[in-house]
Amino acid sequence: GAVVSQHPSWVICKSGTSVKIECRSLDFQATTMFWYRQFPKQSLMLMATSNEGSKATYEQGVEKDKFLINHASLTLSTLTVTSAHPEDSSFYICSARDRVYYGYTFGSGTRLTVV
Amino acid sequence: DAKTTQPTSMDCAEGRAANLPCNHSTISGNEYVYWYRQIHSQGPQYIIHGLKNNETNEMASLIITEDRKSSTLILPHATLRDTAVYYCIGMYSGGGADGLTFGKGTHLIIQP
Repeated sequence: GAVVSQHPSWVICKSGTSVKIECRSLDFQATTMFWYRQFPKQSLMLMATSNEGSKATYEQGVEKDKFLINHASLTLSTLTVTSAHPEDSSFYICSARDRVYYGYTFGSGTRLTVV
Repeated sequence: DAKTTQPTSMDCAEGRAANLPCNHSTISGNEYVYWYRQIHSQGPQYIIHGLKNNETNEMASLIITEDRKSSTLILPHATLRDTAVYYCIGMYSGGGADGLTFGKGTHLIIQP
């Protein structure tokens, strides 16, 4: 079945630094990838949609200059949290759509802690 | 996408069938019912989906009422590893260009 690999699984960074999270579709090509954020005891919230070769679309309230998304190929999307602050600490999850079967497959998530 | 309503939490004894209900009274005719689950600190996992007919796979069964206003996910022999938050989501075939909208889901706790 479709597999999405997300790295790193956890990261601790200092306030003011930037962190990059990678999302790869291993055995299928992903026209579209999605980035979610999940705070403790809450549900997943869609942050942005990235389409290969074009600019990402951000949900209302998500700062595009803070959460940089790059989807340069059909198998890789990256999310960079710039100038991270403690309030950015969260569980970030990516998802990819198989361009043939259109199913949604999720990565294993990245636990970001900003200190 | 249709709004779905699920109980906040449920308990089930290990080895018994876990039946998780979902109301989706506003679902449109060509929206599928998808079920995902999220085990603690992991990404969501696809379970099953259906349109009108009941569906079964190696993980679960999905029973959809004839009027399609509700459905039930059945885990036939629940194990401790089935403890997770289960999400019922209405989605058009292909999903369009949108990401999934997750509600609060049902926290299923399997008791030993």
